[in-house]
Amino acid sequence: SYELTQPPSVSVSPGQTARITCSGDALPKKYAYWYQQKSGRAPVLVIYEDDKRPSGIPERFSGSTSGTMATLSISGAQVEDEADYYCYSTDSSGNHFVFGTGTKVTVL
Amino acid sequence: EVQLVESGGGLVQPGGSVRLSCAASGFRFNNYWMNWVRQAPGKGLEWVANINQDGNEKNYVDSVKGRFTISRDNAKSSLYLQMNSLRAEDAAVYYCGRSRYMDVWGKGTTVTVSS
Repeated sequence: SYELTQPPSVSVSPGQTARITCSGDALPKKYAYWYQQKSGRAPVLVIYEDDKRPSGIPERFSGSTSGTMATLSISGAQVEDEADYYCYSTDSSGNHFVFGTGTKVTVL
Repeated sequence: EVQLVESGGGLVQPGGSVRLSCAASGFRFNNYWMNWVRQAPGKGLEWVANINQDGNEKNYVDSVKGRFTISRDNAKSSLYLQMNSLRAEDAAVYYCGRSRYMDVWGKGTTVTVSS
């Protein structure tokens, strides 16, 4: 089955840039999406179609892709950005959808 | 206001069945794909199933194929998940999500599978 691999954790100091990677074989041909999930809450979409930001999402959130890797960057990370982050995409068939393994971001 | 509200969760015995519902409001429901996503306690997100706008295309994660059925009633702006032959590993918070990439989520409903 298709898998998207993320690092389990990322730590960053306030004001610094946090980068979260997501690796998957189909990413060169399929869009990546990113979700933020704070403790006890439903996920929130922060990036769609690799690099687009939904309305209401701060500009410090950005997405990029290169080959089989997608990256979510949080520029000038704030304490309120502490959360779990998940990438999401499909396999090459487009019919099997999968979330990444998740990354816990700590800002301290 | 765009909103999704899940219901129907609860305590179910192993091998039992439950039907989850997701009531949509604030947008034209029949314009969107819809999804079910679950999260077991302390675990990550798992996509479960999705359905296209008119209900004639459905996709499932392998672990639920043959046991779960996704459906929708566009006249009622509602999404459903019929869950049969439930196992302990199906215990989770179940979320519904709008569009192929879930730009809007509900708050979830909890399914507990235990005897």
